[in-house]
Amino acid sequence: DAKTTQPPSMDCAEGRAANLPCNHSTISGNEYVYWYRQIHSQGPQYIIHGLKNNETNEMASLIITEDRKSSTLILPHATLRDTAVYYCIVTQYAGNMLTFGGGTRLMVKP
Amino acid sequence: DVKVTQSSRYLVKRTGEKVFLECVQDMDHENMFWYRQDPGLGLRLIYFSYDVKMKEKGDIPEGYSVSREKKERFSLILESASTNQTSMYLCASSFEGAVGGYTFGSGTRLTVV
Repeated sequence: DAKTTQPPSMDCAEGRAANLPCNHSTISGNEYVYWYRQIHSQGPQYIIHGLKNNETNEMASLIITEDRKSSTLILPHATLRDTAVYYCIVTQYAGNMLTFGGGTRLMVKP
Repeated sequence: DVKVTQSSRYLVKRTGEKVFLECVQDMDHENMFWYRQDPGLGLRLIYFSYDVKMKEKGDIPEGYSVSREKKERFSLILESASTNQTSMYLCASSFEGAVGGYTFGSGTRLTVV
């Protein structure tokens, strides 16, 4: 699986959009981009995934650049409960064993 | 609501004990995984299974074994617990193929004294 690079930490004001970047410059054509988050003392939670097109669900939006070398997870109206570590992972399919990097620690502040 | 259930939230065991960590999922997932999570080291894969009675080593299998006798249950076994196995253990499951993602359990925080 391709490697990903994420900033170690970010802050966001409550109610504002949180934009979390991820670089995956060595991604191959059949690899998906997955996002998970881990709230303190809980197991990671699946958020969203995509291949080429932008995706949106009830939790977030995923924007993938045309060359697929980077992506951005958008939480449109961040709340204090969105404070968590966010992991960007590239893999061929959901069932594959996932390698979790360091992720981005998002702190949503009042 | 679909679930991955880990049998214990907190566990304290003595050095040398045989420890069983149980994980049950109710989603008919083919794949199941055991990770451990330690500060500064992130999540590391111990073992995984793609089918009943099948198992594959992950990145750090030493000191552990697993059992998958039924599709819904995946057990992690510490044959002789040691203090360096004190950690948060996380079980996960998923469908085979690119459908959704992993579902994780809440974790078992194991302390070996």
